[in-house]
Amino acid sequence: ILNVEQSPQSLHVQEGDSTNFTCSFPSSNFYALHWYRWETAKSPEALFVMTLNGDEKKKGRISATLNTKEGYSYLYIKGSQPEDSATYLCAFKYNFNKFYFGSGTKLNVKP
Amino acid sequence: EAQVTQNPRYLITVTGKKLTVTCSQNMNHEYMSWYRQDPGLGLRQIYYSMNVEVTDKGDVPEGYKVSRKEKRNFPLILESPSPNQTSLYFCASSLYGGGVAGELFFGEGSRLTVL
Repeated sequence: ILNVEQSPQSLHVQEGDSTNFTCSFPSSNFYALHWYRWETAKSPEALFVMTLNGDEKKKGRISATLNTKEGYSYLYIKGSQPEDSATYLCAFKYNFNKFYFGSGTKLNVKP
Repeated sequence: EAQVTQNPRYLITVTGKKLTVTCSQNMNHEYMSWYRQDPGLGLRQIYYSMNVEVTDKGDVPEGYKVSRKEKRNFPLILESPSPNQTSLYFCASSLYGGGVAGELFFGEGSRLTVL
């Protein structure tokens, strides 16, 4: 079983704050790194799929970077809004078919 | 509407009573997989399937079976459920498995309680 770690476990910020989370994963046998947004009582939805070292992806106020050599990815949210409140999951794709998920970072944005 | 549908969404059952959680996707995806989510742990992969009649174990397959007789369906079978299988279960599909890194589309989850 591979270890995928996310930090922090939870985060409370004020509306308008910018924030970032970390996902650490093994640096060998890397195929892809996924980020998902999981709102309470809903199903996880994909934010980004990253495959190349140095990848940077952006969707609105959310962006992510990838370093496969050292085994980490950052997710950034600029100007957090209450609707950003959710759990953010990263998933490390190992070999062709297996996914290993971190336990998530739970973000709470206060108005 | 493109979706992954799981049933039942909620189930309370007793130890030893066989049950099946169905999963169906309407996106013609090749890859399907099952996960369980327990407090404090990340989603853990139970089984996955690359295509019809091709299935393989994930990290926590003990106590579960799957089948993939049709491309759209990937049921999860608990032959003799035990209390340690009480969990939130997700089915997910992706256009391709293998080396192509497609995103996963998740069902809404099935919360199972085994007494």
